[in-house]
Amino acid sequence: NAGVTQTPKFRILKIGQSMTLQCTQDMNHNYMYWYRQDPGMGLKLIYYSVGAGITDKGEVPNGYNVSRSTTEDFPLRLELAAPSQTSVYFCASSFKRGMYNEQFFGPGTRLTVL
Amino acid sequence: KNEVEQSPQNLTAQEGEFITINCSYSVGISALHWLQQHPGGGIVSLFMLSSGKKKHGRLIATINIQEKHSSLHITASHPRDSAVYICAVSYMEYGNKLVFGAGTILRVKS
Repeated sequence: NAGVTQTPKFRILKIGQSMTLQCTQDMNHNYMYWYRQDPGMGLKLIYYSVGAGITDKGEVPNGYNVSRSTTEDFPLRLELAAPSQTSVYFCASSFKRGMYNEQFFGPGTRLTVL
Repeated sequence: KNEVEQSPQNLTAQEGEFITINCSYSVGISALHWLQQHPGGGIVSLFMLSSGKKKHGRLIATINIQEKHSSLHITASHPRDSAVYICAVSYMEYGNKLVFGAGTILRVKS
């Protein structure tokens, strides 16, 4: 199993450009998450999904959109990139069993907006 | 909202030393997670616990539910233990999603 894969690994955007960060998992997990990690801060939840066709906002959703058309894929869309979106983005997935929610993380995408 | 505080923020140790990283939280939880993030950036789960103590190799995680506190211990530390160690909690009022601490940057010198 490849686990959770993310593309691209690195990207530089200009202000106002748009892009999609790709995330795929092959573990048949029903839950998927997008986080951003800023220096000195804990990971912040952007959006999450509890299954295909179901998504919901996390703590910091502004400026982002997601979709979940299949169990495997959970892309994150930035429509009008801003310098405040410079961050490292992590996708994660889990198969939630009761109160336990061990998450498996992708390798991250480092995004710079200039 | 659950506040997760980790200490210390930075820690430098000599190879072989016993290391302790602390985590405290403000609201009762379903589970507490310890994760490791290596310099390359990847994040892996080390432990998930809701009571007592767990051990894996040289790593030990403990939790005190009454005091809302957990510790991660590393025995006989080694330079390859150098990483960021992250504490996260899940709790029912937040749909069991994770709330993360800022992380502890550990450097083990040889």
